Amino acid sequence: DTAVSQTPKYLVTQMGNDKSIKCEQNLGHDTMYWYKQDSKKFLKIMFSYNNKELIINETVPNRFSPKSPDKAHLNLHINSLELGDSAVYFCASTSTGRRTEAFFGQGTRLTVV
Amino acid sequence: AQSVAQPEDQVNVAEGNPLTVKCTYSVSGNPYLFWYVQYPNRGLQFLLKYITGDNLVKGSYGFEAEFNKSQTSFHLKKPSALVSDSALYFCAVRDRRGSQGNLIFGKGTKLSVKP
Repeated sequence: DTAVSQTPKYLVTQMGNDKSIKCEQNLGHDTMYWYKQDSKKFLKIMFSYNNKELIINETVPNRFSPKSPDKAHLNLHINSLELGDSAVYFCASTSTGRRTEAFFGQGTRLTVV
Repeated sequence: AQSVAQPEDQVNVAEGNPLTVKCTYSVSGNPYLFWYVQYPNRGLQFLLKYITGDNLVKGSYGFEAEFNKSQTSFHLKKPSALVSDSALYFCAVRDRRGSQGNLIFGKGTKLSVKP
C-alpha cells in the first residue's frame, strides 16, 4: 500500500552508461516531481509535471529527461552518466493546488563509478 | 525569489526537554509553509503545514509550528523531545510561480536528542 514507490532503491553504474529510475504513485495525484539530494543533503527540484505541462529546472543538464507514460508514473532517464550525478533522487507527488502537501518516495541512491 | 532559511545546521537537545528548530522565509504574498522530517536512508515524511488561519499548527508525532508573519518565521517545536525524534528536518515553502507549485526547501537541520 506504498503511496509513492521508486525502483531501484540503490543503483551503482559506470560512467557513460544510460539508466532509468521508475516512480509510481497510487494516490490519484495529478502532479509529480523529481528532486535531487546531494551529498550535503540539499534538496533541489529537477522537474515538475502534470498532465498539462512539464517544467524543467534550467540548471538540470539535458542528459536528464522525465518520461510519463500515464498520470501515475514519472520515470527519470539519465544518459551518459557522470560522476557528479551521484546523489539520492526522490520522486514526489501531490494534487494540483498549493495548499496540499507532497508525498515522497523512499529515494534512489545513485552511485556513478 | 522565494526561499526559506534554516540558520542552524544542528540542534542538540536532551530527552524530555523542549525543542525548537528554526525556519525563516522570504516570499511575496502569503506563504504556504511546510515541515518535513527525513530519517536516515529514508524519504521525506510530511509533518505539518501552514496555509492560513490559526498561527499555531499542530502536526504528526507531537510536533507543532508557529507562524509569525512579523518575524517571517515558522519555527518547529515540540514540548518534550524523544530520542526517536533524532533526524534531519526540512522547512519548505511552496513556489508561487507557475501552476505546479513545487516545494523550495531549506538546507535542513539535524536534530540530535540525547538520552
